[in-house]
Amino acid sequence: DAGVIQSPRHEVTEMGQEVTLRCKPISGHNSLFWYRQTMMRGLELLIYFNNNVPIDDSGMPEDRFSAKMPNASFSTLKIQPSEPRDSAVYFCASSFFPPLDEQYFGPGTRLTVT
Amino acid sequence: DQQVKQNSPSLSVQEGRISILNCDYTNSMFDYFLWYKKYPAEGPTFLISISSIKDKNEDGRFTVFLNKSAKHLSLHIVPSQPGDSAVYFCAASVSGAGSYQLTFGKGTKLSVIP
Repeated sequence: DAGVIQSPRHEVTEMGQEVTLRCKPISGHNSLFWYRQTMMRGLELLIYFNNNVPIDDSGMPEDRFSAKMPNASFSTLKIQPSEPRDSAVYFCASSFFPPLDEQYFGPGTRLTVT
Repeated sequence: DQQVKQNSPSLSVQEGRISILNCDYTNSMFDYFLWYKKYPAEGPTFLISISSIKDKNEDGRFTVFLNKSAKHLSLHIVPSQPGDSAVYFCAASVSGAGSYQLTFGKGTKLSVIP
């Protein structure tokens, strides 16, 4: 398996623009997670899907952030409008939960908002 | 309030010696613990885990020790190799149906000096 695939790997955009990050989880996994990594806060869980259904979005920082999972093989994280403080590395991870707690991460998208 | 703490941001070890990475947690409900390794520009990779019913788990050069009374776990790497140079994250979860969230520490950067 190719592992978790994320695109783009790097995104540079101007404040106010819409940003869409994409993720393809590992085939057969039923859980998908979006994380954000910053120096100050480390790895934070933004949202969790199980069987394509959002289960917990309490980590989504504001209404500017939204996530969808239209099918088992694709998810998007959208920021509209983007702000400089959204600059971070965004990771997607997938797992087969339950029973496994091990999550498998993609390579991340480094977002820079100027 | 950080529930998982890695108090050493960095650690340098000579090749061939033992590396010991430490992690403390505050939530007594945590019963499953994981270590992830992260290379630059890549996502975290699952390394080893331990359930709270054990106090030790070994996988090749990697051993994780759990001290529940002290709410402390450690990762031992013996012998350390230059390829082990990476950031190591400790993570914890409350296992069981409906539990999915991994809480991560901020990481320890390990440098193995040839």
